[in-house]
Amino acid sequence: GNSVTQMEGPVTLSEEAFLTINCTYTATGYPSLFWYVQYPGEGLQLLLKATKADDKGSNKGFEATYRKETTSFHLEKGSVQVSDSAVYFCALSVVTSYDKVIFGPGTSLSVIP
Amino acid sequence: NAGVTQTPKFQVLKTGQSMTLQCAQDMNHEYMSWYRQDPGMGLRLIHYSVGAGITDQGEVPNGYNVSRSTTEDFPLRLLSAAPSQTSVYFCASNSGANVLTFGAGSRLTVL
Repeated sequence: GNSVTQMEGPVTLSEEAFLTINCTYTATGYPSLFWYVQYPGEGLQLLLKATKADDKGSNKGFEATYRKETTSFHLEKGSVQVSDSAVYFCALSVVTSYDKVIFGPGTSLSVIP
Repeated sequence: NAGVTQTPKFQVLKTGQSMTLQCAQDMNHEYMSWYRQDPGMGLRLIHYSVGAGITDQGEVPNGYNVSRSTTEDFPLRLLSAAPSQTSVYFCASNSGANVLTFGAGSRLTVL
């Protein structure tokens, strides 16, 4: 079946450090891939997405590239800020009659000054 | 522009009680869904709807009912609450482009 695996953390980084959160997936067909972010006390919101192989999604300094050969969609940011502290969810969607979105377990990130 | 509105934000129930979590969206989205969020398990789909009058089960539907009488509203009913239903519940909607818009969540504790 379809599934998403990501490093669960928690991850603690100093401000301005480089961030990588690994995400790999298993899917039948050709999924769309997403990163959602959940700030404390809030619902999830879309951070970035990619819909086909080799696409790069980017937003707010975050990037992720859709790698079909390694079935991966790792999230990166060159210099994290305290305001990036949140839980990050990798997700996929495979087109069927209803585009169900399947989420990974989430990775908690804390950035300390 | 309210987006997706969930009520209540917090609720405490005793085992066996019933309740309804409300969800409303004002974006005219066709699709609506309910997820539960538990530590280490990500979000799991409970029920979803592809339009008014149409609902279907997700990954973890047992103990929950839904209905979709209008495009805007998608309430989630707990018929007889159990401690295993202690969780944070999120309602989401989308227009078919796979990008979900989430509500702020409802934290439910069942004693």
